[in-house]
Amino acid sequence: KAGVTQTPRYLIKTRGQQVTLSCSPISGHRSVSWYQQTPGQGLQFLFEYFSETQRNKGNFPGRFSGRQFSNSRSEMNVSTLELGDSALYLCASSSGSDRRYEKLFFGSGTQLSVL
Amino acid sequence: LAKTTQPISMDSYEGQEVNITCSHNNIATNDYITWYQQFPSQGPRFIIQGYKTKVTNEVASLFIPADRKSSTLSLPRVSLSDTAVYYCLVGEGNTPLVFGKGTRLSVIA
Repeated sequence: KAGVTQTPRYLIKTRGQQVTLSCSPISGHRSVSWYQQTPGQGLQFLFEYFSETQRNKGNFPGRFSGRQFSNSRSEMNVSTLELGDSALYLCASSSGSDRRYEKLFFGSGTQLSVL
Repeated sequence: LAKTTQPISMDSYEGQEVNITCSHNNIATNDYITWYQQFPSQGPRFIIQGYKTKVTNEVASLFIPADRKSSTLSLPRVSLSDTAVYYCLVGEGNTPLVFGKGTRLSVIA
């Protein structure tokens, strides 16, 4: 099975621009979660989508949004970029079953740099 | 907030066994314990998962005492390639999995 694919791998933007990141989950997985990772804050949960519906949302401003398509592929969008948005954005796919023993499969991430 | 507490960092020499302990005092009856490994500029990778007693796979062992308030990830005979950040997570219902800061393991030659 192919793993989780995130595109692009690297991205450079300037303040005020917007960006869209893409994630293709493992075939058959219905849940996609997004995380932001920075050296100071570690891995922080952004949001999770399951069957095209947002199931959970982290504590991030409204500039961060996402969606999931019928084929389970997901996109996240960040509008009005700020310097502090520079981070590694990770997507994780899972079956979406019971969270107590669910296993997440991560992509390699998109490294976003905001100048 | 993360439901788990683990050491920020650990050092070990190659060939030694490394044990990383995670505290999860408020673990619920049905929660499982899962460990992930992360290398720089990559996403975390699942290592091992357990509910109670001991679980072993080709990579590691997981020891969980009867009260389940802690767990220990054991890496046998570590090598330089085991240098990574290790995260301990406790799954709960429909809430998203929360990654803490993890334990940064440095393996020295």
